[in-house]
Amino acid sequence: KAGVTQTPRYLIKTRGQQVTLSCSPISGHRSVSWYQQTPGQGLQFLFEYFSETQRNKGNFPGRFSGRQFSNSRSEMNVSTLELGDSALYLCASSLGGLRETQYFGPGTRLLVL
Amino acid sequence: DAKTTQPNSMESNEEEPVHLPCNHSTISGTDYIHWYRQLPSQGPEYVIHGLTSNVNNRMASLAIAEDRKSSTLILHRATLRDAAVYYCILRAMNNNAGNMLTFGGGTRLMVKP
Repeated sequence: KAGVTQTPRYLIKTRGQQVTLSCSPISGHRSVSWYQQTPGQGLQFLFEYFSETQRNKGNFPGRFSGRQFSNSRSEMNVSTLELGDSALYLCASSLGGLRETQYFGPGTRLLVL
Repeated sequence: DAKTTQPNSMESNEEEPVHLPCNHSTISGTDYIHWYRQLPSQGPEYVIHGLTSNVNNRMASLAIAEDRKSSTLILHRATLRDAAVYYCILRAMNNNAGNMLTFGGGTRLMVKP
């Protein structure tokens, strides 16, 4: 079975721009979660989607948003980019039940200049 | 969420056992203990989890103290490929957090040849 895939793998943007990252979960998985990883703050939860609905949300500003499609693929969007948004963005998928094992993708590394 | 405390880093020799400790003195009776690890340039991956009894799988063993205030992840024979950051995470059985994982700082394991 193919693992979680994320595109693009690397991205460079400038301040004020917006960016959309994509995540394709493992086939059959219905839950997709997003995390931000920075050297200073570590791994932080952004949000989780299940059956096209946001199930949980972390403590991030409204510039960070996401959505999930009927095929469980998910996108996250960051508007009005700031330098501090430079990070590795990780996506994780699971079957959909609670407290299930999360399978992570390789991440998208975003650099904001 | 109950908090976990891990050493920042540990060193091991190749082919020797490694014991990675985790303290969780405020653990509740319904919290599961999960371990994930993050290899360099990859997303985190699930290692093992348990509730009260010790657990074994092909990757590692998890030893849980009788009072559940601490646990130890055991790698029986460390290889160079086990060099990673290891995260000890508590997941509540009954909450509304969906599949959110709360990562702490983790332990960076270095394996010497």
